[in-house]
Amino acid sequence: SYVLTQPPSVSVAPGQTARISCGGYNIGSKSIHWYQQKPGQAPVLVVYDDSDRPSGIPERISGSNSGDTATLSISRVEAGDEADYYCQVWDSSSAHWVFGGGTKLTVL
Amino acid sequence: QLQLQESGPGLVKPSETLSLTCSVSGGSISSSTYYWGWIRQPPGKGLDWIGTFYYGGNTYYNSSLKTRVTISVDTSKNQFSLKLTSVTAADTAVYFCARRSESVGMAFDYWGQGTLVTVSS
Repeated sequence: SYVLTQPPSVSVAPGQTARISCGGYNIGSKSIHWYQQKPGQAPVLVVYDDSDRPSGIPERISGSNSGDTATLSISRVEAGDEADYYCQVWDSSSAHWVFGGGTKLTVL
Repeated sequence: QLQLQESGPGLVKPSETLSLTCSVSGGSISSSTYYWGWIRQPPGKGLDWIGTFYYGGNTYYNSSLKTRVTISVDTSKNQFSLKLTSVTAADTAVYFCARRSESVGMAFDYWGQGTLVTVSS
């Protein structure tokens, strides 16, 4: 089955840009979605279909997807962005929703 | 505003069946434009997709759980349910129900708060 690979952790200083990667074979041919999850809370969709944002999600959060890597970027990082981030795709060949292992974003 | 709420026992014995219900308010579960699903998260670990269905259509299950999982729907109560048989400690997790809307592709745009189920004797 399809596998998504994320780095376990990413650290960034406040005001800088955080980039979280999600790797998968030819992932650029799929639509990727990103979720933010804070401790004790349900995941929140922050990017869908590679680069679209649901209403209420700030423009500081953006996504891109090409080749074998998708990237979630968070510019002007704030303390409130500290959370776990998960990528997700729909794998049509197996009819499975697939999640990456998650990346913990730490704001230094 | 759509709301999803999981309910069910917080403790299940090994080898028994885990049963959870997701109650939906603020929207109809019988709309064909939405998919409804279950996702779980073992303590300290990542998200694990269990299964998804849309009313009047297909039900999709994670192949790793397929022999033990059943998702059913009760439109009269606007609820859907999860049954997981022959549970072990590995099934201990927070279980979330969620909705997928066509407007966000194949992503889940609304989630319940989650409910912790512990498998222990």
